Amino acid sequence: EVQLVESGGVVVQPGGSLRLSCAASGFTFDDYAMHWVRQAPGKGLEWVSLISWDGGSTYYADSVKGRFTISRDNSKNSLYLQMNSLRTEDSALYYCAKDNHYGSGSYGVDYWGQGTLVTVSS
Amino acid sequence: DIVMTQTPLSLSVTPGQPASISCKSSQSLLHSDGKTYLYWYLQKPGQSPQLLIYEVSSRFSGVPDRFSGSGSGTDFTLKISRVEAEDVGVYYCMQSIQLPYTFGQGTKLEIK
Repeated sequence: EVQLVESGGVVVQPGGSLRLSCAASGFTFDDYAMHWVRQAPGKGLEWVSLISWDGGSTYYADSVKGRFTISRDNSKNSLYLQMNSLRTEDSALYYCAKDNHYGSGSYGVDYWGQGTLVTVSS
Repeated sequence: DIVMTQTPLSLSVTPGQPASISCKSSQSLLHSDGKTYLYWYLQKPGQSPQLLIYEVSSRFSGVPDRFSGSGSGTDFTLKISRVEAEDVGVYYCMQSIQLPYTFGQGTKLEIK
């Protein structure tokens, strides 16, 4: 059974930093690209970032480019999101999600974690 | 960015009756590999999204066959043949042909 468990969400002040983690199990982690997707309270879904199976390629939404960094440690079956220069509009539930395409490339998301809540507020 | 537009934004359905949700994309989702990258998700109350349909019409593992997807190019439809109480929640379409992946606004399904 695929499991994705996020952690690291807290209340942080504007301009602050935070690192989210996602522990993956139930599948061969280094065979799949991984994503972060967020959802502001009461709002829809927004794709945030993608990392290839080997960590060699990363992509970001314009809204977070230059402030967020996605990374992975395949030896630990873990995905990360380093969030810097946080803004109030970054407040959201952040989901870790698995790509549904085996190997290189990314073609969509199949499994989602339960999310970790980030609140940016003074 | 590709804009995804869903209609309606809310739906109230009697159990046992059908339901249909439309999703239109601002660009074709047909890839050069011949596949069309349109996904449907259901987010039940208080839960994370769950995949229902991928590549327009393929049901994901464990998804009941009352859910079906159709369409091509820029126009897509999710149909529920007979709505059940457990189908309540918000339905989202998503395109994954081009980054950034983008979602529709969501369609809230409630039971009458």
